[in-house]
Amino acid sequence: DAGITQSPRHKVTETGTPVTLRCHQTENHRYMYWYRQDPGHGLRLIHYSYGVKDTDKGEVSDGYSVSRSKTEDFLLTLESATSSQTSVYFCAISGATNTGELFFGEGSRLTVL
Amino acid sequence: GENVEQHPSTLSVQEGDSAVIKCTYSDSASNYFPWYKQELGKGPQLIIDIRSNVGEKKDQRIAVTLNKTAKHFSLHITETQPEDSAVYFCAASPGPRGNKLVFGAGTILRVKS
Repeated sequence: DAGITQSPRHKVTETGTPVTLRCHQTENHRYMYWYRQDPGHGLRLIHYSYGVKDTDKGEVSDGYSVSRSKTEDFLLTLESATSSQTSVYFCAISGATNTGELFFGEGSRLTVL
Repeated sequence: GENVEQHPSTLSVQEGDSAVIKCTYSDSASNYFPWYKQELGKGPQLIIDIRSNVGEKKDQRIAVTLNKTAKHFSLHITETQPEDSAVYFCAASPGPRGNKLVFGAGTILRVKS
């Protein structure tokens, strides 16, 4: 298994509170991604990173921010969580551009009450 | 942007039968089409992929076909086994920088023994 660790794995929080999810990799891969998974929508890209301090928005980035200060860590922050952000969040890594395998973490289940 | 549609949303087959899952994409610039399998409580894992310069690819009981003209691609699983039961996602890669996959909504495959 690819060395990807997501934390926390489960979190329950209240509307309006800030939440940070962490993705840590030991593979030294350049590319890192945050996806959310919801029934009927598959996996949708939130933000991604090409390298340290180099990030860009995905298709559902509103309400989320990211940071990557080290190759191994990619943080996803919900500044003020809403119930619509209740989801399972997956981090993924890739070592190649455009046509390369994504390796996914085991997911973080977030419930916003 | 790219849009990927996947059908059916659920599929039940008898053990030993074949299963076919179909996807269509909208962006003619997409050139990479992977399929991921997700088991319960896990992150998705790549099972097979195909690039736009190839029409078909096989790996044991799994095959993928691509029709660039019609913009659709399919996953074929022969001699299904109970361990094939999972959620399957197709995806397309529309961009040149980073592997920004756009996923279909997923197909729940149940193999009945």
